[in-house]
Amino acid sequence: KAGVTQTPRYLIKTRGQQVTLSCSPISGHRSVSWYQQTPGQGLQFLFEYFSETQRNKGNFPGRFSGRQFSNSRSEMNVSTLELGDSALYLCASSLRRRKGGYTFGSGTRLTVV
Amino acid sequence: AQSVTQLGSHVSVSEGALVLLRCNYSSSVPPYLFWYVQYPNQGLQLLLKYTTGATLVKGINGFEAEFKKSETSFHLTKPSAHMSDAAEYFCAVPQGGSNYKLTFGKGTLLTVNP
Repeated sequence: KAGVTQTPRYLIKTRGQQVTLSCSPISGHRSVSWYQQTPGQGLQFLFEYFSETQRNKGNFPGRFSGRQFSNSRSEMNVSTLELGDSALYLCASSLRRRKGGYTFGSGTRLTVV
Repeated sequence: AQSVTQLGSHVSVSEGALVLLRCNYSSSVPPYLFWYVQYPNQGLQLLLKYTTGATLVKGINGFEAEFKKSETSFHLTKPSAHMSDAAEYFCAVPQGGSNYKLTFGKGTLLTVNP
C-alpha cells in the first residue's frame, strides 16, 4: 500500500511569506503528526491531528498551524516565515499510535531566504 | 517527562565490524522504545520497537536492541556493518497520557568505511 506522501519535497520561500505543506497519510490512518527537524534542535513535535481535531501541540509559536480534512489528509501552514524556519518538516501517520505504529513520509525541505 | 539520550553523535566503523549505537532512557521503564533510521534526504523508518516484557528485540536489516532495565539502556547493535547501513539513527520514547507524542534523541550518524 502507498506510504505517507508529503508534497512538495522541496520549497524555497522568502522571509515574511507564508507556506503550506501537505501530507497524505496511509489509507485508514486517522492520526497525523508533524515534526520539525533541524541540525541544531533535532526532531521536535509540532502537532497531532485525529479525526480533524488537533489533539496535541508542541512548543511552537502561533505562526505554525495545521488542519486535517475529513479524508485524513493534513496540511500545516507557517505564516510570516523567518530564516530559522528552514528545516525538514516530517509528517507521520498512525493507525494505533500508542503501539508505536508511526510511519513517516520523506519530508518537505523548506528553505527560507 | 520521559527522555532519551544518545551517546555519541557520530560513530564510525569498518565494513564487517560490529555496530553499537547507544541509547539511555531517563526514568521509569517506558512501555515502548523505538529505534528509527534516516537515510540521506529521506524520512524516518522504524527499525524496531521495544514493548514491555521484551529484552532482546529484533528489527529489520539485521539490527537488534537489548533492553536493560538495570542500566536504563536500549542499545542498538548489528554484528556486521554493511555500507548500506550508513545513515542517522534515532532513539525515541513516547510521552504518554493525553499529550501523546514521540520524543527523539539527538541522533547518531553512522559512517561505514570500506
